[in-house]
Amino acid sequence: DGGITQSPKYLFRKEGQNVTLSCEQNLNHDAMYWYRQDPGQGLRLIYYSQIVNDFQKGDIAEGYSVSREKKESFPLTVTSAQKNPTAFYLCASSKTGGGDEQYFGPGTRLTVT
Amino acid sequence: GIQVEQSPPDLILQEGANSTLRCNFSDSVNNLQWFHQNPWGQLINLFYIPSGTKQNGRLSATTVATERYSLLYISSSQTTDSGVYFCAVLTNAGNMLTFGGGTRLMVKP
Repeated sequence: DGGITQSPKYLFRKEGQNVTLSCEQNLNHDAMYWYRQDPGQGLRLIYYSQIVNDFQKGDIAEGYSVSREKKESFPLTVTSAQKNPTAFYLCASSKTGGGDEQYFGPGTRLTVT
Repeated sequence: GIQVEQSPPDLILQEGANSTLRCNFSDSVNNLQWFHQNPWGQLINLFYIPSGTKQNGRLSATTVATERYSLLYISSSQTTDSGVYFCAVLTNAGNMLTFGGGTRLMVKP
């Protein structure tokens, strides 16, 4: 089955710890994205990558880091510098980084206490 | 940046009723998508519709790019249609989707 997988589904961490969220796709898409969703809100872009070994900041990149070493994988690290890390995180991909349709993974709910 | 506004913010329907959701945007776009977010948070692609009209079963969408709005029609609504509907746009100059605030739909049996 082709698609986007995110793991884990739920993640709990103590304040001050870094945590890495996984995103894998087997759609052979060049572009991948990370979004954050807070309760009752729309999604906001954290980072995106149009090709391997390249990525750009979105609207709310502070406190986050990413890597894109493989086409299939785009992990997101939530660092201790992120002031309000508790949120729902969604990964997406598209064929290219232009106006192509984006498809989303099932998301990871991160709770930091 | 581009502004995306959705209306109404909340909608309650009786099963079998029809509805129209609206998305207004403030600039030219080269991508517009409608999504349904189910109660588990999964975003399901409904339409990729930067312009024109498309239909998929009980759902259809129309985007009038020159007037900067899009409409999502839901006919003969079912309880499984409940959830949040998002419109998202991508401008000609940008690489990121900008989401509206969503319309929260509840369909009662």
